[in-house]
Amino acid sequence: DQQVKQNSPSLSVQEGRISILNCDYTNSMFDYFLWYKKYPAEGPTFLISISSIKDKNEDGRFTVFLNKSAKHLSLHIVPSQPGDSAVYFCAASARRNAGNMLTFGGGTRLMVKP
Amino acid sequence: IAGITQAPTSQILAAGRRMTLRCTQDMRHNAMYWYRQDLGLGLRLIHYSNTAGTTGKGEVPDGYSVSRANTDDFPLTLASAVPSQTSVYFCASSASRGETQYFGPGTRLLVL
Repeated sequence: DQQVKQNSPSLSVQEGRISILNCDYTNSMFDYFLWYKKYPAEGPTFLISISSIKDKNEDGRFTVFLNKSAKHLSLHIVPSQPGDSAVYFCAASARRNAGNMLTFGGGTRLMVKP
Repeated sequence: IAGITQAPTSQILAAGRRMTLRCTQDMRHNAMYWYRQDLGLGLRLIHYSNTAGTTGKGEVPDGYSVSRANTDDFPLTLASAVPSQTSVYFCASSASRGETQYFGPGTRLLVL
């Protein structure tokens, strides 16, 4: 049973508009959440993170929102740019666990159309 | 440029053969990790090492072994490859347990 789920395998957005990528989790022990961006033939690149003590973290065009009661987080990209086209993975960890295992969602492919 | 290097970039391997995937980081990170990426499943942790000299099992460790003789290197070995080990393998590191992980470019492995 997947503990981190990204239910939308793909998302298409017009350049300049907002992109919203969603992620749900089931493990209430998760206390740290991250978003990674991945281009083809490259490794995932860290984008932004949020601790469970916060409900929002912003970095430039990227904002992550965390709703602990709903066990839901989202990544907002505004304005979206063609260079944002990539696969986005959300990941979660329970930092107190040995190994700091990151549990990943299956990814959402974002396509930003010019 | 500091970062993580992986070798080889890609490999075709006959089933039953032994293979070692190499990973080196120059950031002096204490913790290192091996993941595999399969379509629709995201990345799954194979093995990890919190510090040189220690290793641990992740979510999918069967068929794989690792060693951590020093801080910089974290090789992953497939003792006898099977087709289900066809995947893209990513090495990652973090300054310490609990910190953000940074990934290498990956090794694409095809086991026939």
